[in-house]
Amino acid sequence: EVQLLESGGGLVQPGESLRVSCAASGFTFSNSAMSWVRQAPRKGLEWVSIIFSGSGNTYYSGSVEGRFTISRDNSKNTLYLQMNNLRPEDTAVYYCARGGGHIPTYFDYWGQGTLVTVSS
Amino acid sequence: EIVLTQSPATLSLSPGERATLSCRASQSVSSYLAWYQQKPGQAPRLLIYDAFIRATGIPARFSGSVSGTDFTLTISSLEPEDFALYYCQQRNSWPLTFGGGTKVEIK
Repeated sequence: EVQLLESGGGLVQPGESLRVSCAASGFTFSNSAMSWVRQAPRKGLEWVSIIFSGSGNTYYSGSVEGRFTISRDNSKNTLYLQMNNLRPEDTAVYYCARGGGHIPTYFDYWGQGTLVTVSS
Repeated sequence: EIVLTQSPATLSLSPGERATLSCRASQSVSSYLAWYQQKPGQAPRLLIYDAFIRATGIPARFSGSVSGTDFTLTISSLEPEDFALYYCQQRNSWPLTFGGGTKVEIK
């Protein structure tokens, strides 16, 4: 059974940093592209970043590029999102999502999310 | 950035009725569009990808279609568990983008 378990969320002040993690199991993590998708309170979904398997190529949304860094540790089956210079508008539930099979830019499995709150 | 506009924002229907949800792209995304369902307090679930291909385990009452830049998700006969939020998402170009969502509520 595919499982994705996010952790590391919490309350931080504007300008601070935070790293969230996603522990994966039930599939070959190293073969899968992985993404972060966020959802602000009572708002819609926003794709944040993706990291591909193999090449490790990464892409970011414009709203986080230069501040957030996605990475993965295939030996630990874990995905990370390092978030620097956080802003109040980054407040959201952060979901990790697996890229679907042969089309890595759709998301076929999702975790339950971790809440990041940026507030003074 | 490709903008996806979903309509209506809210659809009020009764169980057994047909639901038709729309997603319009601001420019061509070919057929590279997916639909997701999200229930309160839950993560999204992939329903349809590449405009009309049902994901694994998705019932046949869910179907997708496309005409140019207009995409449609149809639920042929609403079951009680289908009342939820629905989002479209394009993968044609970076950044990946989602629509604003359509809520299907019980009338």
